[in-house]
Amino acid sequence: AQKVTQAQTEISVVEKEDVTLDCVYETRDTTYYLFWYKQPPSGELVFLIRRNSFDEQNEISGRYSWNFQKSTSSFNFTITASQVVDSAVYFCALSVLSGGYQKVTFGTGTKLQVIP
Amino acid sequence: NAGVTQTPKFRILKIGQSMTLQCTQDMNHNYMYWYRQDPGMGLKLIYYSVGAGITDKGEVPNGYNVSRSTTEDFPLRLELAAPSQTSVYFCASSYKYGYTFGSGTRLTVV
Repeated sequence: AQKVTQAQTEISVVEKEDVTLDCVYETRDTTYYLFWYKQPPSGELVFLIRRNSFDEQNEISGRYSWNFQKSTSSFNFTITASQVVDSAVYFCALSVLSGGYQKVTFGTGTKLQVIP
Repeated sequence: NAGVTQTPKFRILKIGQSMTLQCTQDMNHNYMYWYRQDPGMGLKLIYYSVGAGITDKGEVPNGYNVSRSTTEDFPLRLELAAPSQTSVYFCASSYKYGYTFGSGTRLTVV
């Protein structure tokens, strides 16, 4: 069975601070994908990144960076120099192929509040 | 590029009423999904479909039904609405890995 744990329920930071959102996953599959989604107060789900299990390269996109470590089953997300617009709920998700479909397990989300 | 379109965006139902949440995608994706998101929680899979004519239950299917007569459409039906079905519903589609989500339907059952 798959499991995604986002232990941080809520985080508050002051604008311009760096913040890291933790994600720990469990799976016995050797082929899987990991995702981060952002859900701003408006409610839609916005895709941020996808990483496959064979690619442990870290990725940086502007102020966002992701650290994937298979040894610790973690896929952490760092926002550098946070801004008020980063305030949202962030979901980590794990995807495996199961019974012919993409079985996706979501974490419970981390609510990030960036205070001006 | 429309992506995944859900209607309606908001709806209030009385207990026992029925309704259909519509979902349409224009990306020719085979896989489609319905999730519900309860306050402060992650997403839970209700039903999914791997192609036209094929549907299957997810984690929380009770009280819902789906159909998939075409690749584009995947409606979700609530037959007898209950307060426990108050939630935000998201439809998603995918080709292989990676979802495209609709904008969600906020449903309140009173």
